[in-house]
Amino acid sequence: EDQVTQSPEALRLQEGESSSLNCSYTVSGLRGLFWYRQDPGKGPEFLFTLYSAGEEKEKERLKATLTKKESFLHITAPKPEDSATYLCAVRTNAGGTSYGKLTFGQGTILTVHP
Amino acid sequence: DTEVTQTPKHLVMGMTNKKSLKCEQHMGHRAMYWYKQKAKKPPELMFVYSYEKLSINESVPSRFSPECPNSSLLNLHLHALQPEDSALYLCASQSGFQETQYFGPGTRLLVL
Repeated sequence: EDQVTQSPEALRLQEGESSSLNCSYTVSGLRGLFWYRQDPGKGPEFLFTLYSAGEEKEKERLKATLTKKESFLHITAPKPEDSATYLCAVRTNAGGTSYGKLTFGQGTILTVHP
Repeated sequence: DTEVTQTPKHLVMGMTNKKSLKCEQHMGHRAMYWYKQKAKKPPELMFVYSYEKLSINESVPSRFSPECPNSSLLNLHLHALQPEDSALYLCASQSGFQETQYFGPGTRLLVL
């Protein structure tokens, strides 16, 4: 069974204090790993898609990396507006189609204090 | 442009009511999804439509009835819901050329 585990469950940072969120996965055939940001009461906002081990992507203060077992979301010099829940999800080769289920982790609640 | 729109933003209904949620995308995506999200939990897949045909139903109760009238529009018809069905209902769409699913803002549903 596919499993996605995110840690920590919650992270409190001071503004400017860099840190990393972890997403470890156990799946049978990874098609893609996705990072989303979700603000309370809103839909998930797409951040990154990673397809293969060694891949890295950056956007402003965020950088996502991928290994064969886990992904990290690095946040450099965070600001209070980075406060949100960060969700990791995977798509696998199960079903053999281009369209299918995302398996989500439980999310990491990030709070950045000024 | 990666915009998915959903209406209404909020919905309150009684257990005997019939209502519908609407989702629209104009990105030419050929797959559309319904997810349900309870508070402090990740989204859970309900239905997948690909090329306007239902391809996945995650054993969702029949009081939820999806419909895909055309490639840009996805509806979720609701009937005889229970209070435990109260949640944020999310729509997503996906291009056939990449794996990424783009989510709409959601409809906050309260069943009384």
